[in-house]
Amino acid sequence: DAGVTQSPTHLIKTRGQQVTLRCSPISGHKSVSWYQQVLGQGPQFIFQYYEKEERGRGNFPDRFSARQFPNYSSELNVNALLLGDSALYLCASSLEGGGGDEQYFGPGTRLTVT
Amino acid sequence: GEDVEQSLFLSVREGDSSVINCTYTDSSSTYLYWYKQEPGAGLQLLTYIFSNMDMKQDQRLTVLLNKKDKHLSLRIADTQTGDSAIYFCAEISNQAGTALIFGKGTTLSVSS
Repeated sequence: DAGVTQSPTHLIKTRGQQVTLRCSPISGHKSVSWYQQVLGQGPQFIFQYYEKEERGRGNFPDRFSARQFPNYSSELNVNALLLGDSALYLCASSLEGGGGDEQYFGPGTRLTVT
Repeated sequence: GEDVEQSLFLSVREGDSSVINCTYTDSSSTYLYWYKQEPGAGLQLLTYIFSNMDMKQDQRLTVLLNKKDKHLSLRIADTQTGDSAIYFCAEISNQAGTALIFGKGTTLSVSS
């Protein structure tokens, strides 16, 4: 079975631009979460979606938004990019996003903002 | 607030046991997790423990939980060079859905 897939693998953008990152969960998983991992730090929670509804939001500015589609795939959008947005963006999927659900991570999208 | 603390580095010899420690702050955390991250890769779920347990063993991995001290540890028996990676401890947040709150990670270096 395919794991969590993310695209693109790498991305270079300029300050002020907008970016869209994509994630496909494991087949049968209905919940997707997004995390930002800055170099040398642990991942930080951005959003969680379940059945196309936002279930949780981390402490990130409104420049960050996301959505989940009927096929449970998800997109993360970041507007007005800042240098500090450079990071590895990780997507995780789980069956229903409940507390006991195991979250499986994709390989991530490496975003560099210049 | 919620916070997870880990020591940053651990160096061991091949064949020895490794013990990675973690402290967390949210006493209501129901699940605690250990993830492994190899260079340039995503996170791999290693194991997790429910808060009503104090130990869980899975092949070479042993997780110990001391709820009173909010202390979690991961013991890797017979550590191999392939175990070299960053290990993250994580707890479930009660403030944002079921988000995971991660520590900064412990870099495990295994020498032969």
